[in-house]
Amino acid sequence: SQQGEEDPQALSIQEGENATMNCSYKTSINNLQWYRQNSGRGLVHLILIRSNEREKHSGRLRVTLDTSKKSSSLLITASRAADTASYFCATGTGANSKLTFGKGITLSVRP
Amino acid sequence: DVKVTQSSRYLVKRTGEKVFLECVQDMDHENMFWYRQDPGLGLRLIYFSYDVKMKEKGDIPEGYSVSREKKERFSLILESASTNQTSMYLCASSSNGVPGTEAFFGQGTRLTVV
Repeated sequence: SQQGEEDPQALSIQEGENATMNCSYKTSINNLQWYRQNSGRGLVHLILIRSNEREKHSGRLRVTLDTSKKSSSLLITASRAADTASYFCATGTGANSKLTFGKGITLSVRP
Repeated sequence: DVKVTQSSRYLVKRTGEKVFLECVQDMDHENMFWYRQDPGLGLRLIYFSYDVKMKEKGDIPEGYSVSREKKERFSLILESASTNQTSMYLCASSSNGVPGTEAFFGQGTRLTVV
């Protein structure tokens, strides 16, 4: 079974609004990562948060991690039409950080 | 520029054929992964390798095998291709160990089994 489950499955917002995506997972992790995939292309890494971190920022991205609730959220502020893509959370587990993905969230940003 | 290269973008094979998907990375990464991506199911891990000749089953290994004879190359083998293996296959690599690092992905191989 897949380790991570994203919520919601699909999100549609207006340009300039913030987008919040959530991820829950099942077992203990070394890290949690978020990736983006534009239609028909490979995945691109966005941000990694370690299990001993609670919050991390990168440009317009903010990710939080709550290990007690086994959940994470990704916030994209001031969204742009170019942010339209699928977003995946992935968890790194085990001694070699095996990486397991969720089903993804489809984000549509309307101009 | 770091690179993960998959040998084919598109592949059409017949049912029952043995199929090889090749992946090469130039970053000296220990970890390499094979995923398949299907609509509504996200990325599912088929196999994971954390060193040469070392492998670990993922969530859906049935019908697949892998080979890692050299650090830079990770091959996915469909022993006898079936139509339900029609999918997008993605290869990735990363450094291993805790707490882990980002993975780099290839562009994917869209495999159609007819």
